[in-house]
Amino acid sequence: SQTIHQWPATLVQPVGSPLSLECTVEGTSNPNLYWYRQAAGRGLQLLFYSVGIGQISSEVPQNLSASRPQDRQFILSSKKLLLSDSGFYLCAWRGRFGSYGYTFGSGTRLTVV
Amino acid sequence: QKEVEQDPGPLSVPEGAIVSLNCTYSNSAFQYFMWYRQYSRKGPELLMYTYSSGNKEDGRFTAQVDKSSKYISLFIRDSQPSDSATYLCAMSVTGDDKIIFGKGTRLHILP
Repeated sequence: SQTIHQWPATLVQPVGSPLSLECTVEGTSNPNLYWYRQAAGRGLQLLFYSVGIGQISSEVPQNLSASRPQDRQFILSSKKLLLSDSGFYLCAWRGRFGSYGYTFGSGTRLTVV
Repeated sequence: QKEVEQDPGPLSVPEGAIVSLNCTYSNSAFQYFMWYRQYSRKGPELLMYTYSSGNKEDGRFTAQVDKSSKYISLFIRDSQPSDSATYLCAMSVTGDDKIIFGKGTRLHILP
C-alpha cells in the first residue's frame, strides 16, 4: 500500500533562517507531488507541484522553492524565512492513472518567530 | 468570482441530526468532485468522490452533484460527535494535474 511521510510535525524557526521540509512517498512510482500551505481563513493554497524528477511548477511567487531530486521525494525550501511564511504545510501525492484525489501527509506546522 | 465557494461556518448541529454541506463552483469543465474531511492539526483525508452528475452513497454519507446548477452537496445522516471536523469540497477537470479546493466548512456535532 502507498504511504506518504512528511516531517517534522512542528517547527519553530527565527525570521531569516533557512527552511527545509521533506516529503517522501512509498509504494508507488512516478507520482504527482504537491506542496500546499493552509492558513486560517485562506484555505489550501497550492505552492508547487511536480509531475516528474526535476520538474517543478510554481503557483505562487514567494521566497519558497521546491525540488524533486528523486522520483518519490519532494522538498520545500527557503533561504530566509519571513513571518508571513508561518502556516500548516501539507505534502500530497496523486497517482497518474485511475486515481481521483490527493493523499495528504500529516503536515508540518511552521511558526516563524 | 472565485472558482469554488464554500461557507466557512462554523456549523453546529445536535448529535443525530442530518448535516448538509454545500459548495458552488463556476467552472463548467469540472468533472471530478470530491469531499475531504480534516481533523484539527491533521492532513485532509479523502472522504468521497463522484464523477460528473448524480449521487453516491457510502454508509452515513451521501454526495450529490448537480452540474446544471454548479452545486455539490455532502449529507451526513445520524451525525456523531466524531464527525466534528472541517469538510473541504474539491474538484478537477479531466486530465488536469491540479485539484481546486473550497476553503472548508467547520462542523461541530454537539453531544
